[in-house]
Amino acid sequence: GNSVTQMEGPVTLSEEAFLTINCTYTATGYPSLFWYVQYPGEGLQLLLKATKADDKGSNKGFEATYRKETTSFHLEKGSVQVSDSAVYFCALGAGGTSYGKLTFGQGTILTVHP
Amino acid sequence: GAVVSQHPSRVICKSGTSVKIECRSLDFQATTMFWYRQFPKQSLMLMATSNEGSKATYEQGVEKDKFLINHASLTLSTLTVTSAHPEDSSFYICSASIGTGRNTEAFFGQGTRLTVV
Repeated sequence: GNSVTQMEGPVTLSEEAFLTINCTYTATGYPSLFWYVQYPGEGLQLLLKATKADDKGSNKGFEATYRKETTSFHLEKGSVQVSDSAVYFCALGAGGTSYGKLTFGQGTILTVHP
Repeated sequence: GAVVSQHPSRVICKSGTSVKIECRSLDFQATTMFWYRQFPKQSLMLMATSNEGSKATYEQGVEKDKFLINHASLTLSTLTVTSAHPEDSSFYICSASIGTGRNTEAFFGQGTRLTVV
C-alpha cells in the first residue's frame, strides 16, 4: 500500500533560520506529491505540489523537489518567519483514478521564535 | 482557487445523539468528496470516499452504520455521526477534488471540531 513518513517534530527554530522537513514515501503507482499546511483550528491549505519526477514545487519561499530515485519530497525554506509556525503535512495522491484520495504523513509541528 | 465550505466549524453534542456535518463545494462541482478524521496531534486518516449518486466507499475499520455519508448533489456531501459517544470526539475534515489524473488537486474544508459530552 501507500505510506508517507515525515521527520518527527516538533521543530523549533529562530526567525531567519533554514528549515528542512524530511518526507519519504512508498507507493504502488506513480503518485503526485504535496505539502499541506495547517494553522491552529483550521483545515488544510495546499502549500506546494509536484506531479512528476524532478519537478520542483514552490510557494511562499518554500520548495520541495520530487525525487523518485530516493522516494523523497523534502520541504525547505531558506529563512523562516514567525508566521510560518504551523503543522506541515506531506501527502501523496494515489494514482489511477484516486489522485484526489490522499495519504498523509504524521505531520510536523513547526514553531518559529522571534 | 476552489472553495470548500464545511459546517459547522464546532459542535458539542450529548452522548447518544446524532450530528450532521455538511461539506459544500462552493464554486465547482465535485462528483467525489473525501472525509478524513484527525486525532489530536496526529495525522489525517481517510474515513471514506463519498460518491455523488451512489454509496460511499469506507476504509477498513470505519463503521459505515455509525458514520453515514450522503452525497445527494454535485456540491454537497454530508457526514452524520450516529449515536455519538465521547470516543467519536475528533476533528473531521472533508475535501473535494478538481482535475483529472496527476493534475488532480484536493481542496479542504476548514474542518469540524466535534465534542461529545
